Parts: sequence; C-alpha cells; structure tokens
Amino acid sequence: EADIYQTPRYLVIGTGKKITLECSQTMGHDKMYWYQQDPGMELHLIHYSYGVNSTEKGDLSSESTVSRIRTEHFPLTLESARPSHTSQYLCASSESITREDWTYEQYFGPGTRLTVT
Amino acid sequence: GNSVTQMEGPVTLSEEAFLTINCTYTATGYPSLFWYVQYPGEGLQLLLKATKADDKGSNKGFEATYRKETTSFHLEKGSVQVSDSAVYFCALRPQLYNFNKFYFGSGTKLNVKP
Repeated sequence: EADIYQTPRYLVIGTGKKITLECSQTMGHDKMYWYQQDPGMELHLIHYSYGVNSTEKGDLSSESTVSRIRTEHFPLTLESARPSHTSQYLCASSESITREDWTYEQYFGPGTRLTVT
Repeated sequence: GNSVTQMEGPVTLSEEAFLTINCTYTATGYPSLFWYVQYPGEGLQLLLKATKADDKGSNKGFEATYRKETTSFHLEKGSVQVSDSAVYFCALRPQLYNFNKFYFGSGTKLNVKP
C-alpha cells in the first residue's frame, strides 16, 4: 500500500486567493512529481523533484511553484488562483536507489480536486 | 522521443465479457511498462508491470505481455466485473535518458454493465 498523502482532497476557492496543495510521502523516495489531470483524464507533468532542493518544471507550463525542503514533503503553491486552474492535481513519488532503477513504478496520492470560482 | 498510445474509450462491456485495451509505445532501449487503474475520485494505482521483453505482468485477473517486436503492452482480462469499471492508463519509464520521467497514455475508460 502506497504511503503518499495529499491535502486537502477537495478545495473550492475564489479567484485571486493564494493556495498551497500539500503532498507528503513516508517511503523515503527521492523522486516526487506533480501532475495536472484534465477532465479528459490525460495526465500532464507540471513539476518534478529529484531530491531535496532540486525542482524542475515539467512538460506543461504552469503558473504554480513547488519547493522541496524535506525529502518527504513536496508542496505546490498557486500565488493567485484563477478559474483556469480548476483541475485535479495528483502527486506521485518513485524510489531511486541506483542509476539502473528504471524498473521502479510511481506511487500516487489520492489527488486534490481544485475548483476556482 | 518517448511516447505511449492507447486505444480511445470509452469501452463498454457486459459483465463476464473479455477485455482488451491496446497499448503501443515508442522508446529506445528496453523501457519498463506499466498499467495503472484509476477509480472515480481517486489517484492512480499500479495494476501490473513488466520490466523486460516477453515478461508477463499479472494481477487481479488482468494480464499484459511486454512485446518488444511489436512495441506493445496490451491489457487483457478474461471475464470483467462491474467493479472493474475505471480508467486504465498505460505508461512507460525509459531505460535510457529521462529515466526518471514517466510517460502516460491518454487513458481508456471502461464501463462494465451488469
């Protein structure tokens, strides 16, 4: 069973508000990821991290920012929420022991459903 | 580059029908291949995986075989149940370059009718 948590599970917020979506994992994984899932179900990588103090932007341009100060914690922040940010946000992590670790899968959190009104 | 293509849905089947969801990939070397399942309101869960050519991943009656010659990893189940209704994602993790990134198909929604 995956030990990766996301809070809140659901969030409805007004335009212009600052929000932080929390993601934590207790597996000691180095790699962590944020995906945005559109209503058509497709996953879009928006941020990833290979370890503490390492963050990169993903394939989909996003106005959000992330930080990785602790191994287990990878929060995502929107400075000023807009209706276009309405989506499902999924956090994931993956183990990384050696360079030849491409066999390891990702573990996903339950997601945060964000609605910006 | 790396990519995954899976059949579009939705797929609607009657209970106890045979299921196939097609997945093909593009990648160099020997990527690892995965099938994930997403139930409504939840995150993705690993269903099965295969890490080398000719490997068969299996779980909960689902199977998929890593076919290097056809670059495919089709998901099959002999007899589906209503509880199998969900969205299924095929994914790969490259062996070479970008091996810390995962590439997902667009998802296939399965509806199983009683």
